[in-house]
Amino acid sequence: KQEVTQIPAALSVPEGENLVLNCSFTDSAIYNLQWFRQDPGKGLTSLLLIQSSQREQTSGRLNASLDKSSGRSTLYIAASQPGDSATYLCAVSRATGRRALTFGSGTRLQVQP
Amino acid sequence: EPEVTQTPSHQVTQMGQEVILRCVPISNHLYFYWYRQILGQKVEFLVSFYNNEISEKSEIFDDQFSVERPDGSNFTLKIRSTKLEDSAMYFCASSDRGRPSTDTQYFGPGTRLTVL
Repeated sequence: KQEVTQIPAALSVPEGENLVLNCSFTDSAIYNLQWFRQDPGKGLTSLLLIQSSQREQTSGRLNASLDKSSGRSTLYIAASQPGDSATYLCAVSRATGRRALTFGSGTRLQVQP
Repeated sequence: EPEVTQTPSHQVTQMGQEVILRCVPISNHLYFYWYRQILGQKVEFLVSFYNNEISEKSEIFDDQFSVERPDGSNFTLKIRSTKLEDSAMYFCASSDRGRPSTDTQYFGPGTRLTVL
């Protein structure tokens, strides 16, 4: 059974810092990996999707990498801003083509102005 | 920008009652999903739906749950006889044809279900 772990559980940084969020998964046979942002009491906003054949994806100040063989992904946020404060979730889907996402418990990020 | 919408935003019900949660997926999407998040816990997959039938379901999705696409735009989750432990945020999601490059799942804002 796929297990997704995110470290750290919480992170507080001053504005302007670059930071890395980590995600690991136990079964490397994945179809793709998605990073989401969740604001308190709100839905999930998709940030990036990395296909299993890709190594990284970039969107603005966000860069996500994937090392499928070691079961790891990182989300790099450059020049953090107070508006980046949210919980960041990592989720993977299975390589069989089933699209059910298995989620990690998230990293709660606070960017201090 | 197209988005997934859900109604109601908050539903309060008595234990044993039936509830229907409604979703309008993004219009050209073909895959539909329900997930739930119990307060303080991980987001959990319930069911996926494609071509008018369930394509996958989790152990959580037992006989008290059902899904339906009653028309060309709505996608519903019915819980037949609610239990206290069904209290959670329920998220609907949709995705495109499933090509790797377009397989992003887009989530709605959620319905908070409170069972008393």
